[in-house]
Amino acid sequence: QQPVQSPQAVILREGEDAVINCSSSKALYSVHWYRQKHGEAPVFLMILLKGGEQKGHEKISASFNEKKQQSSLYLTASQLSYSGTYFCGTENAGGTSYGKLTFGQGTILTVHP
Amino acid sequence: NAGVMQNPRHLVRRRGQEARLRCSPMKGHSHVYWYRQLPEEGLKFMVYLQKENIIDESGMPKERFSAEFPKEGPSILRIQQVVRGDSAAYFCASSRMTGGKNIQYFGAGTRLSVL
Repeated sequence: QQPVQSPQAVILREGEDAVINCSSSKALYSVHWYRQKHGEAPVFLMILLKGGEQKGHEKISASFNEKKQQSSLYLTASQLSYSGTYFCGTENAGGTSYGKLTFGQGTILTVHP
Repeated sequence: NAGVMQNPRHLVRRRGQEARLRCSPMKGHSHVYWYRQLPEEGLKFMVYLQKENIIDESGMPKERFSAEFPKEGPSILRIQQVVRGDSAAYFCASSRMTGGKNIQYFGAGTRLSVL
């Protein structure tokens, strides 16, 4: 069962902020965030391992609430280069799912000048 | 340091032919994953391999699809007797999996078109 991302699409002007959410019904070991531009490979942004962990990458950061099985990606002061489809990929805790990523359906982010 | 290399980038096959997709992982990576992406959809896991072993093939169709990652050479995803529904982008990813972190880096993909 794939994680659910919200919203499905976001339209921003340069400099505005956005939050993308990822929610799973299963206990998670890790959450991975990727950005994919049309016709290109998904590009790794960050991985979150621990409950409550928050990581940052310049103006892009993320949090992971292990108890709620939710992660959020925060994009601040957006730039044109942020446009693309953002995917969360989840790695389930325990069992034989280790290594396998289950991706959400994606959130399309469009940044206008 | 070269990234994950996939070839060919584009592959056109007629129904009933075979498709062979190749993936060379990043240097130092011994874990390979194959994903399929239909237009406007997310990535769907197919198979996870280590050298000479299939670790998880829960996402592979039961028939016509097979994957290998030999001791020497690239990983191969093989689709026999292709049908139009096989048309998709197939992405390979590799990882090193150290310190409990399984960071997967993706190749540029192979876009398969079945006529």
